[in-house]
Amino acid sequence: DVKVTQSSRYLVKRTGEKVFLECVQDMDHENMFWYRQDPGLGLRLIYFSYDVKMKEKGDIPEGYSVSREKKERFSLILESASTNQTSMYLCASSVTGGAGGNQPQHFGDGTRLSIL
Amino acid sequence: KNEVEQSPQNLTAQEGEFITINCSYSVGISALHWLQQHPGGGIVSLFMLSSGKKKHGRLIATINIQEKHSSLHITASHPRDSAVYICAVSLRIGETSGSRLTFGEGTQLTVNP
Repeated sequence: DVKVTQSSRYLVKRTGEKVFLECVQDMDHENMFWYRQDPGLGLRLIYFSYDVKMKEKGDIPEGYSVSREKKERFSLILESASTNQTSMYLCASSVTGGAGGNQPQHFGDGTRLSIL
Repeated sequence: KNEVEQSPQNLTAQEGEFITINCSYSVGISALHWLQQHPGGGIVSLFMLSSGKKKHGRLIATINIQEKHSSLHITASHPRDSAVYICAVSLRIGETSGSRLTFGEGTQLTVNP
């Protein structure tokens, strides 16, 4: 069965800290995504990657960076955490859809991050 | 204006009722997804469709491409159906890369016994 694992369910950090959120998938998927979810705003795409060492900005990349050194792992980095980055963070993965482009995404359980 | 609009935002039903959640979108899409999120955060993909209708158990999803509208129906609702239901559309980002999703805000469904 498909499995996307996020390293922490809950995380509390301080303003200014560098924060790493890790995501691992075991399906050999090419595509991986990082989202944040906020009340009233729904899920918004931060960054995505369609191959090792490849990354593209999503809708809200400011204040974040990502790393994809291995196919199964996609890391989200908050360079200098701020209180407005308190949110639920969700990782997802999917296979490449080829010319069709459409495949379902498989989500992790989410990390609820609080920045104090 | 959001590219994906869901209605209602909140829905409370009694066990056994027939439930409909609606999704309208304003852009050209290659597919529409319905997702379910239970308390605690995990999200599960229910349907992906680009035309017509799909059924899985008590859940039915329909899409009208011309009207840019989709509905998710739940028959004989049960308290375990209580969750947030999210509509998302696929915007193709390239011929060989996966599609990114644009999400609606979700519909909070509560089914009372």
